[in-house]
Amino acid sequence: DAGITQSPRHKVTETGTPVTLRCHQTENHRYMYWYRQDPGHGLRLIHYSYGVKDTDKGEVSDGYSVSRSKTEDFLLTLESATSSQTSVYFCAISEYTSGQETQYFGPGTRLLVL
Amino acid sequence: AQKVTQAQTEISVVEKEDVTLDCVYETRDTTYYLFWYKQPPSGELVFLIRRNSFDEQNEISGRYSWNFQKSTSSFNFTITASQVVDSAVYFCALSEADRGSTLGRLYFGRGTQLTVWP
Repeated sequence: DAGITQSPRHKVTETGTPVTLRCHQTENHRYMYWYRQDPGHGLRLIHYSYGVKDTDKGEVSDGYSVSRSKTEDFLLTLESATSSQTSVYFCAISEYTSGQETQYFGPGTRLLVL
Repeated sequence: AQKVTQAQTEISVVEKEDVTLDCVYETRDTTYYLFWYKQPPSGELVFLIRRNSFDEQNEISGRYSWNFQKSTSSFNFTITASQVVDSAVYFCALSEADRGSTLGRLYFGRGTQLTVWP
């Protein structure tokens, strides 16, 4: 357990509305990531952060923005949700274990955009 | 182009059978990292193993074993004497070093759904 929580865990929203997903970690990890999981695609990186206020785009960043104003929180925002953003969203952190770095994932958020 | 290919979309076996999940990767980096994750029906992602590109030693952990072959760019996962609780989606992932982190982003395969029947 890498101390990662995601909120909300489930959300239903309508097309065109803004949505913010929160990832919270309690162990002061520097690196945080947002992925989305879709059938037939595995997980794909949306955005990641390598420190407070330091973020960068992943391979599927269009339509998403992120913010990290403090170490423990990494927010993912869908400015105007579309049906194609219906997905399961996973947050991850990088953790050093036995001198090796590994990504551990939060429990996920299921988002349905109607 | 897909960096990680898991050609087996679904596999079904009967309990106690051995099963191998295939993973083929593509990278130009000389330093990279390979992972396997398990996603049971409950939906969480569980880390199973990490392998560094400079360490080709195979690994065994209980009923699980991993075969890493750089010559064929493969990192296959074998479950010996499968059990119903092994039923899950298994993902192989690749990381190429990025910025100051030795890890960077993960590229996932599309996953293999393993069903173990009693």
